[in-house]
This record gives sequence, structure tokens and C-alpha cells, in this order.
Amino acid sequence: EPEVTQTPSHQVTQMGQEVILRCVPISNHLYFYWYRQILGQKVEFLVSFYNNEISEKSEIFDDQFSVERPDGSNFTLKIRSTKLEDSAMYFCASSAGQIIPGELFFGEGSRLTVL
Amino acid sequence: RKEVEQDPGPFNVPEGATVAFNCTYSNSASQSFFWYRQDCRKEPKLLMSVYSSGNEDGRFTAQLNRASQYISLLIRDSKLSDSATYLCVVNGEDSSYKLIFGSGTRLLVRP
Repeated sequence: EPEVTQTPSHQVTQMGQEVILRCVPISNHLYFYWYRQILGQKVEFLVSFYNNEISEKSEIFDDQFSVERPDGSNFTLKIRSTKLEDSAMYFCASSAGQIIPGELFFGEGSRLTVL
Repeated sequence: RKEVEQDPGPFNVPEGATVAFNCTYSNSASQSFFWYRQDCRKEPKLLMSVYSSGNEDGRFTAQLNRASQYISLLIRDSKLSDSATYLCVVNGEDSSYKLIFGSGTRLLVRP
């Protein structure tokens, strides 16, 4: 069964450092997303990406965040200068189309710990 | 008012029980509704979409009441493997890309 894969599964970094989280969406999917979940809290939307550009982003997704699809398979989330409050589980997701936009397939997540 | 509101639980039920969860949403313009399931420290997984006419998938039945802006999930004949957190999810207001998640309702099914 096709799946979304994410690396690393866990990253520990110092405050102020840059972090890149990587994702390989399902191969025939067209829409890509990043969500995050702070421990004990709800899943929150960060950004959606379609046709090589951001479709929508949330208030959380400020200038410290960026996304990129550098080749035909990878989808990355970069945090330029991490803060303590960026500590969370970051989930990448993809979907085949917009007909049923909520049918997302999530990766297992990348846990980011900022010290 | 929270965008998507759920009773956090936990609901602690014996195997074989029937259990129901409700969820309310604030935006009357929302068009798409879903139940996702999340196991502890795992990714959310789509359980089922919720259609206006209500829909059933095996032991799971979802209902939508647009007038009252609530969504329900009924689980019949609970299994131990149903123990998880059930997330009510609604399409965002201005866009079809953004999903808004509730905080989840935790279900514990005991032997």
C-alpha cells in the first residue's frame, strides 16, 4: 500500500538552528501539506502546496517557515531559526485531488525537539 | 467559540458496547466533514467521510446535522482495537485545502 514517508523520525536541535524536515508524498498525489501537533494539543494546519506553489498557509506559517519541492518526489519543510515553541510533531500529508479534499494520507511524523 | 469542539473523554466502555461521540463546528459555511482516528503518538488516519444523508461503514455510522452544526460518530460492537482518539475534522472556511481538527475524543475499550 502506498504511503507517505518522513525523515527524520526525531530531531533534536538547539534554539536558533535551521531544521529541514523531509517528506516523500504518495507518487500520484498532487496536493501536499504540512500539519503540526504540539504534545497534548490538536493537529494544526501549517501550509498546503499545489502545482509548485503554496496554496494556503496559516498564521503559524510565518517567515521562519518555508516549503519546497526540490525534485519530483521530495517535499520539504524548513524552519530557519528554531524557537522553543516549535517543538512538536510535524506531519506531512498528501491527497490525490480536491474532489474530496479532506481525504489526506499522513506520514508517521517527524518529532522536533528544540532545546 | 472553538472552531471544532469535542468532548475529550475518555469514554471507557466494555467490549461489545455501543458508543457515540458528538462534535460541533462553528462555521456554517463548512462543506466537508470527516472522522479521523489517531492512536497514541501516531499519525491521524481517515476513518470516514461524513455525508449529509449519513453514512455507514461496517460498525461505524456517521451523521451530519447542518442545522445544528454537529457531527456524530456511532461505534457498534466495540473492539479492543477501537481504543484510540477520534478526531472530528472540518473543511476550513475559505479554502478546501485547510482542515480544522478538533482536539479529539479518547475511547478506551476494556475486555
